[in-house]
Amino acid sequence: TQLLKQSPQFLSIQEGENLTVYCNSSSVFSSLQWYRQEPGEGPVLLVTVVTGGEVKKLKRLTFQFGDARKDSSLHITAAQPGDTGLYLCAGDNDYKLSFGAGTTVTVRA
Amino acid sequence: NAGVTQTPKFRILKIGQSMTLQCTQDMNHNYMYWYRQDPGMGLKLIYYSVGAGITDKGEVPNGYNVSRSTTEDFPLRLELAAPSQTSVYFCASSYGVVSLNTEAFFGQGTRLTVV
Repeated sequence: TQLLKQSPQFLSIQEGENLTVYCNSSSVFSSLQWYRQEPGEGPVLLVTVVTGGEVKKLKRLTFQFGDARKDSSLHITAAQPGDTGLYLCAGDNDYKLSFGAGTTVTVRA
Repeated sequence: NAGVTQTPKFRILKIGQSMTLQCTQDMNHNYMYWYRQDPGMGLKLIYYSVGAGITDKGEVPNGYNVSRSTTEDFPLRLELAAPSQTSVYFCASSYGVVSLNTEAFFGQGTRLTVV
């Protein structure tokens, strides 16, 4: 059973378009993290959100943590081919990281 | 700056063989983890350790064993390889509990095929 459900599973867009990926759970998390993973590499942390309602921006990436701390979203503005990768959300689960299945994003030039 | 180093990068095993996946970190992290990643399934926690001499089971521990004799090393042992263990294995480490806004650092992974 996956604690964290991510949608969509796959997303393919043209360079310059915007995209949003979602991470949802029925459980409350004290924090949520977003990682990006490129082929043949391990995941790399993008951001951690800890406060309900929190919005964090990282250049063209905007992360939001739901008020109830059960869901999060990642929005990319004007996507570039370099944004291509697998985006994973992760939440603390009894002091261990529990991951969603991920969203594979492909940005076509 | 090595970070988390995993060896080997690739391995093919026959059913019933055994092997050890090596993981070492040079960041003096107390917490270390082993995950497996299957297509479309995200990462599943196999075992974790909160310090030398202390290990505990994750979500999918069956068929695996670990040890943590030093802070730096956290090897994962497969005793009787089965096709269901074909996967990509990631080792990770963190300074503290991840719920306290702590980053987990991952190795590059070991791609294991059991035939």
